[in-house]
Amino acid sequence: DTEVTQTPKHLVMGMTNKKSLKCEQHMGHRAMYWYKQKAKKPPELMFVYSYEKLSINESVPSRFSPECPNSSLLNLHLHALQPEDSALYLCASSPARPGHEKLFFGSGTQLSVL
Amino acid sequence: DAKTTQPPSMDCAEGRAANLPCNHSTISGNEYVYWYRQIHSQGPQYIIHGLKNNETNEMASLIITEDRKSSTLILPHATLRDTAVYYCIVRAGPGSQGNLIFGKGTKLSVKP
Repeated sequence: DTEVTQTPKHLVMGMTNKKSLKCEQHMGHRAMYWYKQKAKKPPELMFVYSYEKLSINESVPSRFSPECPNSSLLNLHLHALQPEDSALYLCASSPARPGHEKLFFGSGTQLSVL
Repeated sequence: DAKTTQPPSMDCAEGRAANLPCNHSTISGNEYVYWYRQIHSQGPQYIIHGLKNNETNEMASLIITEDRKSSTLILPHATLRDTAVYYCIVRAGPGSQGNLIFGKGTKLSVKP
């Protein structure tokens, strides 16, 4: 299994809603990432987890809250989002071993905030 | 900021080689060159990476200049399915994590 699975594929939410994005991998990878991608722009790094601990937070607003409950799962909890947060949210994983920095990406969750 | 410069778009005829250039004049000695591509509506896909030697795998070849200030990704026989945005990324090598910073990339259009 060389896949990173993201659910849901599409999500529409209001500014007062609370929702969560989920990401799962069964490749034994110990590093997991969240990226945000606006239309026609490159992906932007948001968070990195290494061995289930948050190692990088790229100054992301607190309305985005990541969680890594175990080595296979990564969540992104959303609360009080703004319309400008509408984007494709990509999850990725990698082995986190020196010399193995190849990232595997999921297909993303397309989020629309109304 | 991204450390690479790529042309915004390129065209290639199907069956011909696609040569995608990338400038990374400020690359440091411990930084690798990575290439990813993103087909429409999908997540980015790893293609290849290298430090200073040329590299080849089943997808592509990577040619890095001797001074390491630029590189070229070569798709030897482009197909319509190779139409995608190609990202050249410079990042620190073994042991580094998370700093995979995407630049604007090159939109490659393979035409019949």
